[in-house]
Amino acid sequence: AQSVAQPEDQVNVAEGNPLTVKCTYSVSGNPYLFWYVQYPNRGLQFLLKYITGDNLVKGSYGFEAEFNKSQTSFHLKKPSALVSDSALYFCAVRDIDDYKLSFGAGTTVTVRA
Amino acid sequence: KAGVTQTPRYLIKTRGQQVTLSCSPISGHRSVSWYQQTPGQGLQFLFEYFSETQRNKGNFPGRFSGRQFSNSRSEMNVSTLELGDSALYLCASSTTSGNPQFFGPGTRLTVL
Repeated sequence: AQSVAQPEDQVNVAEGNPLTVKCTYSVSGNPYLFWYVQYPNRGLQFLLKYITGDNLVKGSYGFEAEFNKSQTSFHLKKPSALVSDSALYFCAVRDIDDYKLSFGAGTTVTVRA
Repeated sequence: KAGVTQTPRYLIKTRGQQVTLSCSPISGHRSVSWYQQTPGQGLQFLFEYFSETQRNKGNFPGRFSGRQFSNSRSEMNVSTLELGDSALYLCASSTTSGNPQFFGPGTRLTVL
């Protein structure tokens, strides 16, 4: 079985400060890892993925994520947050041998001006 | 390329009725997945289709069913609707299972 944990329901940061959204995962095999963002009344938008290779993955809108196999983590980061980054963020995992995505509960990010 | 489209965007039904939701994937995408999103349960996987075959199914009752057509378009059906089926139903498509899924805007189903 695969699962994802996002330990923080909410993250609040000031504009211009670094943003980190935490994610840990559990899979039986090698993971495919993803981050998505959801704006109100919208579907999910893909931000970035980790399949293999470099542990630091760069994605859309200046976001990046670091894969840490020993800690089974895949934290999302942005060096300088914008008010427009305020949204709901989901981490997702898929076992390499499975076809379904398992999502975390989501983290609401609020960036204050 | 056009994104994933879902119809209808909003639906209001009463208990006991059935409903069919439609999803058109991005052109060239052969994998289509469905998810249910609710405030209490979050995002839950319903099923995934590839080339008209269901490859995986989530933990939902048999009232939830789906299918995929030869043009990769997919439908999901919920029979004997219950109040708890009120949710945002999201469809996502991808080229292969390892690639990211791209989501449609969702169908908001309200069961009264």
